[in-house]
Amino acid sequence: NAGVTQTPKFRVLKTGQSMTLLCAQDMNHEYMYWYRQDPGMGLRLIHYSVGEGTTAKGEVPDGYNVSRLKKQNFLLGLESAAPSQTSVYFCASSSPAGTSSTGELFFGEGSRLTVL
Amino acid sequence: AQSVTQLDSHVSVSEGTPVLLRCNYSSSYSPSLFWYVQHPNKGLQLLLKYTSAATLVKGINGFEAEFKKSETSFHLTKPSAHMSDAAEYFCVVSIYGGSQGNLIFGKGTKLSVKP
Repeated sequence: NAGVTQTPKFRVLKTGQSMTLLCAQDMNHEYMYWYRQDPGMGLRLIHYSVGEGTTAKGEVPDGYNVSRLKKQNFLLGLESAAPSQTSVYFCASSSPAGTSSTGELFFGEGSRLTVL
Repeated sequence: AQSVTQLDSHVSVSEGTPVLLRCNYSSSYSPSLFWYVQHPNKGLQLLLKYTSAATLVKGINGFEAEFKKSETSFHLTKPSAHMSDAAEYFCVVSIYGGSQGNLIFGKGTKLSVKP
């Protein structure tokens, strides 16, 4: 049971380059999220999606774009990478909280991005 | 405004002694509260969750937390620490009664366990 899978796990970019992080989940979850984790800052929400074809901005959306063309996939794009985007990125998914779900977030193992 | 504060950035205990990780929250609404654990180089895993049912919540691996509305606290405890408990712990508040796009994470508490 794969759960939430992120690719790539590691990447080094030069300033100005672009890249896409892919998140895939096999739990049929409606909701998906992208977070970044920086030392001493906890996790901060970049963008999220409550269903296929829908996305919304989180706390720190600037410099990132996302797409949710398929229910199981959530892509995070950096159009022009900057050193401030050096971070560990986590994808998560969940079902809506309700009688059949606790609303628990399921996390991938992270993608470590370095921008030089 | 909603917020969550983890009062200690680092806690160190000896194996076999009690663990206390402190979390205070601020919410205008009746909150849902979570504790997540992150082992090194891993993603986050849910330890336990409070959603206005029992105020004492039991989680995995012997952890529990008590919701105290009067103190706006949701501290995480374990009677006896194990080496495998060494990890970072995050307190999370869900605002608007559980809307998943509105989770606020604390900055984390790193737990060290000495043999």
